[in-house]
Amino acid sequence: DAGVIQSPRHEVTEMGQEVTLRCKPISGHNSLFWYRQTMMRGLELLIYFNNNVPIDDSGMPEDRFSAKMPNASFSTLKIQPSEPRDSAVYFCASSSSEDSPLHFGNGTRLTVT
Amino acid sequence: AQSVTQLDSQVPVFEEAPVELRCNYSSSVSVYLFWYVQYPNQGLQLLLKYLSGSTLVESINGFEAEFNKSQTSFHLRKPSVHISDTAEYFCAAENTGGFKTIFGAGTRLFVKA
Repeated sequence: DAGVIQSPRHEVTEMGQEVTLRCKPISGHNSLFWYRQTMMRGLELLIYFNNNVPIDDSGMPEDRFSAKMPNASFSTLKIQPSEPRDSAVYFCASSSSEDSPLHFGNGTRLTVT
Repeated sequence: AQSVTQLDSQVPVFEEAPVELRCNYSSSVSVYLFWYVQYPNQGLQLLLKYLSGSTLVESINGFEAEFNKSQTSFHLRKPSVHISDTAEYFCAAENTGGFKTIFGAGTRLFVKA
């Protein structure tokens, strides 16, 4: 089992550019979560999907953020346009059922200059 | 769960000493409770979980946590810590029947020689 795979590991971009973060969940897991981690705000849930359908996107900070899950093995988180305050580590996690723990990827460290 | 509070942001402790990391949660319904550990530049990993049954749960590396419903607490303990336990520890709660996991702000455990 390769675990949750995120790419890229690091992303450095300039303000105003579009950023796309990618995630491959563990095979067979039907729930997928996007979290953002910063020193100031800790771990924030941005959005989660169940069976590829977005269930709760109330944590998405602004319309600049969007997430998709076109199939059970792939999800993207897009920021357009990016701003310096979006700098953070973005984690993707998946789980197999409601009482199962989350399995996290190693994260994408985003720096917006 | 409405919120998870970790009362200590940092806990320094000497090697082989006991440690307790405190966690309290707030919820109007039954919850599942988790402790996760995060090592530098990695995602979170499950340490232990409470779903139901025995209120004392243990991990494979000597940590244990006790669910106390009356005090709405789920404190993490280890009788003798190692240098390798240095990491950040997150308490998390999820309403039973739901998918949304809420995380505390984290406690940085620093084990000194």
